[in-house]
Order: sequence, then C-alpha cells, then structure tokens
Amino acid sequence: GNSVTQMEGPVTLSEEAFLTINCTYTATGYPSLFWYVQYPGEGLQLLLKATKADDKGSNKGFEATYRKETTSFHLEKGSVQVSDSAVYFCALASGGSYIPTFGRGTSLIVHP
Amino acid sequence: EADIYQTPRYLVIGTGKKITLECSQTMGHDKMYWYQQDPGMELHLIHYSYGVNSTEKGDLSSESTVSRIRTEHFPLTLESARPSHTSQYLCASSEPGPPAGNTIYFGEGSWLTVV
Repeated sequence: GNSVTQMEGPVTLSEEAFLTINCTYTATGYPSLFWYVQYPGEGLQLLLKATKADDKGSNKGFEATYRKETTSFHLEKGSVQVSDSAVYFCALASGGSYIPTFGRGTSLIVHP
Repeated sequence: EADIYQTPRYLVIGTGKKITLECSQTMGHDKMYWYQQDPGMELHLIHYSYGVNSTEKGDLSSESTVSRIRTEHFPLTLESARPSHTSQYLCASSEPGPPAGNTIYFGEGSWLTVV
C-alpha cells in the first residue's frame, strides 16, 4: 500500500537559516504529492503540490521537487522566519479508490 | 481558498451527551474524510466516503458514526461522548484526479472537549 515517511521533529532553527524537511514515499501508480502546513489551533492548509515527476511546487519561499527516481519530495526554504513555525505534513494522493496518505508531521520551531 | 466548513469550531460538553459535528463543502467533491488529531500530532483517519450513500471506517477505530445523504454534507455523530473523545476533528474533501491532482482540502477543525 501507499506510505509516507518524513523526518521526525522538532526541527529547531535560527531565523534566516536554511530549511530541509525530508519526505519519501511508496505508492502504487503515479500519485500527486503535497506539503501541508498547520499553525497552532488551525486546520491543515495546502502549502504546495506537484502532480507529476520532476514538477517543482513552490509557495511563500518554500519549494519541493517530485523526484520519482528517489521517491522523494523534500521541502526546502532558503531563509526561514519566526512566522514559519508550524507543523508540516507531507502527503500523497491518487485517483480511484485510494485514500490520501499523510506523514506523521514535522514540527518546525524558528527562534529569533 | 477551500470551501469546506466545519461547525462548531469549539465545543465543551458533558459525558454521555450526544453530539454531531457538521461538515459541508461547496466544491462538489465526491470523496470526503474525517480525521482525529491531537494538537500538532499525526492525523488518524476515522471515516471516509466515496460519495452519496457510501461510508467506510478508517484506520483508527472510532465510536463515532457518519452519514452521507448529500454530496456536500458529511456529519459525524457521537452517541455518547466520553472524556477519551476529547480531541480535534478535521473534515476534508479531495478533488477527483487529473488534471486537478487529487488535492485535499481541509476545514478549520472542530475542537471537542468532553468533561
């Protein structure tokens, strides 16, 4: 079946540091890949997505590239801000009868 | 912005009460989901639906029930609430597939506290 593995947190960084949160997956077929962000007390918001191999999703300075050869979708940001502190979820989804699959979430804490 | 709405956002109820968490979406999505989540922790799928009159149990056993009489509406009911049901409940729906890419949209969540 489908699965998503993302690095455990918390990830603690200073403001303006470079961020990488690793995500790898196993899936049947050709899934779409997503990163979601959850701020305290809120639901999940779509951060970025990629629907086919070699696509790069980007939003708010975050980027992730769909790497089929390494089955990865790592999240990166060149310079994090305190306001980026949140929990980040990697996910995949396919059509048909497949149910979306989420990673366990990675907490990011950014210090001033 | 996602057009998926949950009510109530916050609810405190006594043990043994019956509650229904409402979820509605205006995007015409067939697939809908309920997740249970403790703050900042992993999501646990408790129910899902492929469309009208379809309901399935998820990975996490739950004493709640769901119904799907209309495409846009997917309510979750607890017949007798217990303190162990205290959690955040997230409703979601997803697009059908290419070219939309099966994007999943979430409501803002319902925080339930059972005292």
